[in-house]
Amino acid sequence: EVQLVESGGGLVQPGGSLRLSCAASGFTFSNYWMSWVRQAPGKGLEWVANTKQDGNEKFYVDSVKGRLTISRDNAKNLLFLQMNSLRAEDTAVYYCARVGYHYDILTGFYWYFDLWGRGTLVTVSS
Amino acid sequence: EIVLTQSPGTLSLSPGERATLSCRASQSVSSKYLAWYQQKPGQAPRLLIYGASSRAIGVPDRFSGSGSETDFTLTISRLEAEDFAVYYCQHYGNSLFTFGQGTRLEIK
Repeated sequence: EVQLVESGGGLVQPGGSLRLSCAASGFTFSNYWMSWVRQAPGKGLEWVANTKQDGNEKFYVDSVKGRLTISRDNAKNLLFLQMNSLRAEDTAVYYCARVGYHYDILTGFYWYFDLWGRGTLVTVSS
Repeated sequence: EIVLTQSPGTLSLSPGERATLSCRASQSVSSKYLAWYQQKPGQAPRLLIYGASSRAIGVPDRFSGSGSETDFTLTISRLEAEDFAVYYCQHYGNSLFTFGQGTRLEIK
């Protein structure tokens, strides 16, 4: 079955750290860009970070730069999010998402999130 | 930085009616990089539309997308009970993704 399963969420104090994991199965993980997307309670979706297939290119939303780090282990089909210096505003459900694509010979690549995990809740509170 | 503004914030309609959801970009964007998602309570988002108008696999044909440059629309031709949810537009550009704030589609 094609799926993504997140783990590692929980309650952490402000300034603390947490490491999220996402286990991929049913597809060739190393062929895809992967992302983390978060959703604060009762709020909308916010893209957090991307990593290229080989892990050598990474991109982040400005609000997490220097504090959150995305990485991957293609041998184990795992995606990670290392979260340091956590703040109350980082409280959210964190989704692992596959960056899917469609290629058209005339118009090139189309990019979107085509596979999502169920999410893991991170609560930053004292 | 592209900002996506969705309207209305909440749309109240009855089953069988037509729903029209809007997504406006702060500057002109390529329609290749505009997608729509549906999210139901307690669930992960689901891809509906990519490239502004192409339906994802398994998406019913009552869902359609259109638009270009700064104005994009998601239309649900005849609402069914399962369609009441929150809908998000999303843009991709320069390896970054941006979501609109969402439109809640509720039963009238």
